Amino acid sequence: AQRVTQPEKLLSVFKGAPVELKCNYSYSGSPELFWYVQYSRQRLQLLLRHISRESIKGFTADLNKGETSFHLKKPFAQEEDSAMYYCASVQSGSARQLTFGSGTQLTVLP
Amino acid sequence: KAGVTQTPRYLIKTRGQQVTLSCSPISGHRSVSWYQQTPGQGLQFLFEYFSETQRNKGNFPGRFSGRQFSNSRSEMNVSTLELGDSALYLCASSLASRNTEAFFGQGTRLTVV
Repeated sequence: AQRVTQPEKLLSVFKGAPVELKCNYSYSGSPELFWYVQYSRQRLQLLLRHISRESIKGFTADLNKGETSFHLKKPFAQEEDSAMYYCASVQSGSARQLTFGSGTQLTVLP
Repeated sequence: KAGVTQTPRYLIKTRGQQVTLSCSPISGHRSVSWYQQTPGQGLQFLFEYFSETQRNKGNFPGRFSGRQFSNSRSEMNVSTLELGDSALYLCASSLASRNTEAFFGQGTRLTVV
């Protein structure tokens, strides 16, 4: 079975500092990985996905198959980045079954 | 365009009752998935429907069921409610191919007393 692990439940950084949210996955096939974000009182929304190789709101994430990791990084954190972040993977096949990590609550301090 | 709409937003039910939750996907989206979110277990997949057929099912008891209508709207039913069913139930819709984004609704907060 797939498993997505986010080892940090809570993470606090100061504004302007770099931030890295860790995500490790266990998967035997070709993984498809995502980062979702939930801002306070808003719905869960996609932040980025590894196949797009894009930077959204200054965040990037690189898939490292050797370390089975998909860490989310931003060089300079902003207060508006404070939110709950979930790493997720999709099972192989056509079904849209997302397996989520337990989430990391990021707080960016002024 | 309108986002994923879930109704009702809040529900309070008594143990042993049953409940039906509704999800209207984004227009044109044919895949609807349901998730349960609890503080202890996090986000867990319940099931996915595509073209009125259940395509995948998570590890939940048979008390949890769902269906999808021809207009892609979906309902989820939980029978014989237990206290542990108290959770936020999220619905997500997508265009159904594997690489497309899943758009989430705001959820239905179910409290079982």
